[in-house]
Amino acid sequence: DAEITQSPRHKITETGRQVTLACHQTWNHNNMFWYRQDLGHGLRLIHYSYGVQDTNKGEVSDGYSVSRSNTEDLPLTLESAASSQTSVYFCASSELAGALTDTQYFGPGTRLTVL
Amino acid sequence: AQSVTQLGSHVSVSEGALVLLRCNYSSSVPPYLFWYVQYPNQGLQLLLKYTSAATLVKGINGFEAEFKKSETSFHLTKPSAHMSDAAEYFCAVSQKGGSQGNLIFGKGTKLSVKP
Repeated sequence: DAEITQSPRHKITETGRQVTLACHQTWNHNNMFWYRQDLGHGLRLIHYSYGVQDTNKGEVSDGYSVSRSNTEDLPLTLESAASSQTSVYFCASSELAGALTDTQYFGPGTRLTVL
Repeated sequence: AQSVTQLGSHVSVSEGALVLLRCNYSSSVPPYLFWYVQYPNQGLQLLLKYTSAATLVKGINGFEAEFKKSETSFHLTKPSAHMSDAAEYFCAVSQKGGSQGNLIFGKGTKLSVKP
């Protein structure tokens, strides 16, 4: 069955370290998204991609970067981790570029703690 | 810009009682609306979506939602709550691109079900 996976599921790191969170989907979807979920804020979009070599900033992109070298993967990198980036991170994918009725499929999440 | 407001961050019902989770949207164009559910320690999954066909939309697990343009609402209901319905529920509206990407989420409503 097609799926979307994230690794690691839990990560503890120190302030200032570079951290990369992996997202891999086997749906062969064009679109991939990274969100963070914080109490009281719901889900906020960090970055998204509509296809290979395409990346776009979301509303909370500062301090994060992504690259899309193939269809299946969209790794999220925290360049220099800060305590404010302690959060639960979700990756999602959807099939159709620009389709407003498209369903997003979510991974299980990565809980990141920055000490 | 589109937005959604979920009234009530926490809702508690007794098992067997009616579930009503409220969502109001703001949109300058006809919206496409979604309800997602997040069970503890899991990613989000689609419950149902409104794509401008029928105004009463039926979803999984006995949930349904009615699109009411005059009230700019898309409230989620279930006639009889079950313990397994305890989760967080997110209403979302889709838009084309921009810094918020495809989906704009509400802040979520946590549903508790008492035995």
